[in-house]
Amino acid sequence: SQQGEEDPQALSIQEGENATMNCSYKTSINNLQWYRQNSGRGLVHLILIRSNEREKHSGRLRVTLDTSKKSSSLLITASRAADTASYFCATESNFGNEKLTFGTGTRLTIIP
Amino acid sequence: DAMVIQNPRYQVTQFGKPVTLSCSQTLNHNVMYWYQQKSSQAPKLLFHYYDKDFNNEADTPDNFQSRRPNTSFCFLDIRSPGLGDAAMYLCATSGIAGETQYFGPGTRLLVL
Repeated sequence: SQQGEEDPQALSIQEGENATMNCSYKTSINNLQWYRQNSGRGLVHLILIRSNEREKHSGRLRVTLDTSKKSSSLLITASRAADTASYFCATESNFGNEKLTFGTGTRLTIIP
Repeated sequence: DAMVIQNPRYQVTQFGKPVTLSCSQTLNHNVMYWYQQKSSQAPKLLFHYYDKDFNNEADTPDNFQSRRPNTSFCFLDIRSPGLGDAAMYLCATSGIAGETQYFGPGTRLLVL
């Protein structure tokens, strides 16, 4: 079964607004990653946060991790039309099994 | 630029006719992954290689096979494609297992 569940499944906002997506997972992890996927394309890595970290920033992206609640959030500030894509969280379990398990994804649409 | 290349980008095959998808990388990464992604779903891991060590997911059908003749190349063989195998197939690499993955653009497979 899939490790991660993402919320919401779909999100539409006006350009310039902030977008927040949430990810919940089930087992203990080594790290959690966020990926973006434009329609019909491969995934692009955005950010990795380790289990001992609580917050990480990269440009307009801010990721938080709460291991006690087994949840993470991705905030995109000052959204742009080019941010329209699907966003997936992915976790590496602390069994160290060399692989990621992807969440169900959030489809983000930025309205110009 | 270092990258992950998948060929072909689109593949049409007939029901039951074997098909091979290819992936190459210039990143010199130890780990290579194959994912299947159906419309509006998360990528589903089929198998991965850590160097030459092959790791099959428990729920990957026997119809799917893989070969990794060297560090740079990895192939996905579908021995007898069914209509349910129509999907996007994504190849990814990782320098450190369980950490950032670099994806190719994917091969979209259509089964007639």
